Amino acid sequence: KNQVEQSPQSLIILEGKNCTLQCNYTVSPFSNLRWYKQDTGRGPVSLTIMTFSENTKSNGRYTATLDADTKQSSLHITASQLSDSASYICVVSANTGGFKTIFGAGTRLFVKA
Amino acid sequence: KAGVTQTPRYLIKTRGQQVTLSCSPISGHRSVSWYQQTPGQGLQFLFEYFSETQRNKGNFPGRFSGRQFSNSRSEMNVSTLELGDSALYLCASTLQSSGYGSSYEQYFGPGTRLTVT
Repeated sequence: KNQVEQSPQSLIILEGKNCTLQCNYTVSPFSNLRWYKQDTGRGPVSLTIMTFSENTKSNGRYTATLDADTKQSSLHITASQLSDSASYICVVSANTGGFKTIFGAGTRLFVKA
Repeated sequence: KAGVTQTPRYLIKTRGQQVTLSCSPISGHRSVSWYQQTPGQGLQFLFEYFSETQRNKGNFPGRFSGRQFSNSRSEMNVSTLELGDSALYLCASTLQSSGYGSSYEQYFGPGTRLTVT
């Protein structure tokens, strides 16, 4: 069964600290993995897109890693800011000859001053 | 370049009614996808339209339908509303079709918050 599981479900950190969010998937055959940031009440915003051949991609203070062998991805946030408080959603697409995109449930991040 | 716009932003309907939501993609984008987001189910794919044709469809009942116009603008219709249809409905535009797991950047609109009472 194609699944995307994210952990932790929620996380509270202090401003300035680093954190890492996890995404494990069983989607196959793998095509790409995306991380989105979604502020409350707004649409998701793309942070990174990684294909099979990419194992790391950065976007400012956000760095995503991908291990296609273990089917795991992580999103590392460096020097967190209050504005990083949001939900982070991992999305995996499969190349089946048809469209298949599986969304994770997201990790809710709270950054406190 | 203007982003994805959705109208209306908020909507309150009663059970049994129908509703039409609108989405205008980024200029030049030909693909529009619709998603339903609820606290319990997260983001779920409804359907995708590309060049006025439905390319992909998620697992939603036939009460959910959509269409795309020649200018790439898209509408989504939900008939015979149920309480469980209360959700944030998001549309996203992409330059090309998202089929076959393409890596094209997908841009989301702000969503329409639908409340069914």
